[in-house]
Amino acid sequence: QVQLVQSGAEVKKPGASVKVSCKASGYTFTSYGISWVRQAPGQGLEWMGWISAYNGNTNYAQKLQGRVTMTTDTSTSTAYMELRSLRSDDTAVYYCARDPSVDYWGQGTLVTVSS
Amino acid sequence: DIVMTQTPLSLSVTPGQPASISCKSSQSLLHSDGKTYLYWYLQKPGQPPQLLIYEVSNRFSGVPDRFSGSGSGTDFTLKISRVEAEDVGVYYCLQSIQLAWTFGQGTKVEIK
Repeated sequence: QVQLVQSGAEVKKPGASVKVSCKASGYTFTSYGISWVRQAPGQGLEWMGWISAYNGNTNYAQKLQGRVTMTTDTSTSTAYMELRSLRSDDTAVYYCARDPSVDYWGQGTLVTVSS
Repeated sequence: DIVMTQTPLSLSVTPGQPASISCKSSQSLLHSDGKTYLYWYLQKPGQPPQLLIYEVSNRFSGVPDRFSGSGSGTDFTLKISRVEAEDVGVYYCLQSIQLAWTFGQGTKVEIK
């Protein structure tokens, strides 16, 4: 069955970077993309960007341009999302989701940014 | 970006009664490939969103048939024919016709 399994919770200080992983199984990784979505505490869902697992093409949300990098490792069927220069308002649960079918999501990774 | 507007933002429903949520998009979600890229999700506390309906009206695998989706262009509706206790949570609509997905604000459904 299709699964997306994300890395564990992180606590970071303002200005630091975080890298979240999303390991896919149960399907051909390079046939789909991965989108990343985040959800601040008590808030709605915000799309962060997309990466093609086929060729590595990316598209990032304008507000995160310059701070976010998405990559994939096809040898391990894993996608990564790195966010730099963390601020307190980056505190959120970060999800990966299979794209374009938008059907399967990772379990979420809580990233807490606090001094 | 396409703006997705859900109404109502909260709903209190008696078990066994129907419920309906509206989602309006600022642009048509009908693609030139003939598909309409509108999805409905339910997010239960502490869980990721779970797909209920894809491309307006198709129930995802395992979704009970009390859930149905309808609409076209810019106006869409999710209906629950008879609400059950397990249906509580926040419902979101999502458009993916543009690469930059956008979500509705969410509709919180609770049981009376």
